[in-house]
Amino acid sequence: EVQLVQSGAEVKKPGESLIISCKGSGYSFTTYWIAWVRQMPGKGLEWLGIFNPGDSDTRYSPSFQGQVTFSADKSISTAFLQWSSLKASDTGKYYCVRLDRGSGSFDPWGQGTLVTVSS
Amino acid sequence: DIVMTQTPLSSPVTLGQPASISCRSSQGLVHSDGNAYLSWLQQRPGQPPRLLIYKMSKRFSGVADRFSGSGAGTDFTLKISRVEAEDVGVYYCMQSTQFPYTFGQGTKLEIK
Repeated sequence: EVQLVQSGAEVKKPGESLIISCKGSGYSFTTYWIAWVRQMPGKGLEWLGIFNPGDSDTRYSPSFQGQVTFSADKSISTAFLQWSSLKASDTGKYYCVRLDRGSGSFDPWGQGTLVTVSS
Repeated sequence: DIVMTQTPLSSPVTLGQPASISCRSSQGLVHSDGNAYLSWLQQRPGQPPRLLIYKMSKRFSGVADRFSGSGAGTDFTLKISRVEAEDVGVYYCMQSTQFPYTFGQGTKLEIK
């Protein structure tokens, strides 16, 4: 079964750093891109960007450029989303999703990681 | 950026009746390869999103055949032929033709 399993919920203070993870299984991890999506509480979906674990090619949405960093460790089939200095406005649920750029399909989705930033 | 506008934002529907959600893009979505990378996602309460339709009209594996997607130019439609209780949730259109990818605002489907 193809699946993405994300790390657990985090509670952080403003200014702290954070890395959350997304582990792929059931497929060749380096063959597909990973996309990251944010959902703020009670709101819609927003793209953060996409990352190719095979060659580390990265595309950030302009709204998130410089705010987050994508990376991956191919040896453990895991993608990462990183913040160096969190803000309260980073509070939300973050999803990773596998992207097949050939078909344009986004599946499967991770279960989401809830990030709460509060003083 | 391509702006995706969904209508309606809320849709009360009677069980067993059809439902339709529209999505309009601010620019055409046909890629240079000839495909329109327009997808529809369903998000049930408390769940992650789930892919229903990709490339405008292709039903994803395992999706019930009561869901269908269509469109042309900048206007796209998701149709549910007969709404069931499990269809309650928020539906999003999204484009992945041009970066940055963008979502519609979401349409909440609820049962009357």
